[in-house]
Amino acid sequence: DAEITQSPRHKITETGRQVTLACHQTWNHNNMFWYRQDLGHGLRLIHYSYGVQDTNKGEVSDGYSVSRSNTEDLPLTLESAASSQTSVYFCASSDRTESTDTQYFGPGTRLTVL
Amino acid sequence: DQQVKQNSPSLSVQEGRISILNCDYTNSMFDYFLWYKKYPAEGPTFLISISSIKDKNEDGRFTVFLNKSAKHLSLHIVPSQPGDSAVYFCAASRSFTSGTYKYIFGTGTRLKVLA
Repeated sequence: DAEITQSPRHKITETGRQVTLACHQTWNHNNMFWYRQDLGHGLRLIHYSYGVQDTNKGEVSDGYSVSRSNTEDLPLTLESAASSQTSVYFCASSDRTESTDTQYFGPGTRLTVL
Repeated sequence: DQQVKQNSPSLSVQEGRISILNCDYTNSMFDYFLWYKKYPAEGPTFLISISSIKDKNEDGRFTVFLNKSAKHLSLHIVPSQPGDSAVYFCAASRSFTSGTYKYIFGTGTRLKVLA
């Protein structure tokens, strides 16, 4: 079965460290997204990509970067982790047709920045 | 500017009854609306979506209604089951002339189905 996986599931790091969160999907979707979930804010878009070599900033992109070298993977990098980036991070991929729109999420990575 | 709003943070319903979750939006350019269910420590699970050109879509116990004039959508769950207890997110997606699109999420409604 196709799926979307994230690693690690939990991560504790220190302020100022560089951290990379992995996302891998086997749906063969061109479209991939990174969100963070915080209490009272729902899911907020960090970065997204519509295909290999394509990346775009979302509403909360400061301090984050992504790269897309193949269809399956969209790693999210925190250049210099800050306590404000403590959150749960979700990766997603999506498929859209003329009549349907479906987005699939990974299980999430809980990141704590001390 | 919250373009997608879920004004009820929580809802309790008796097992077997109907659960109605509501969502309001402000941008008339949205072309799809989606509902997700989320359990603790898991990623959101897609439930059902509706195109902006429709006013109703059904899938088993789940029905989504779209009222474009009111910029309002609702998710009906009939009958409600204890396993439906979760946080429900509504989301809207918008296409751009480039052919790309992205999603905006509400803040979620926690549904508790009482046995």
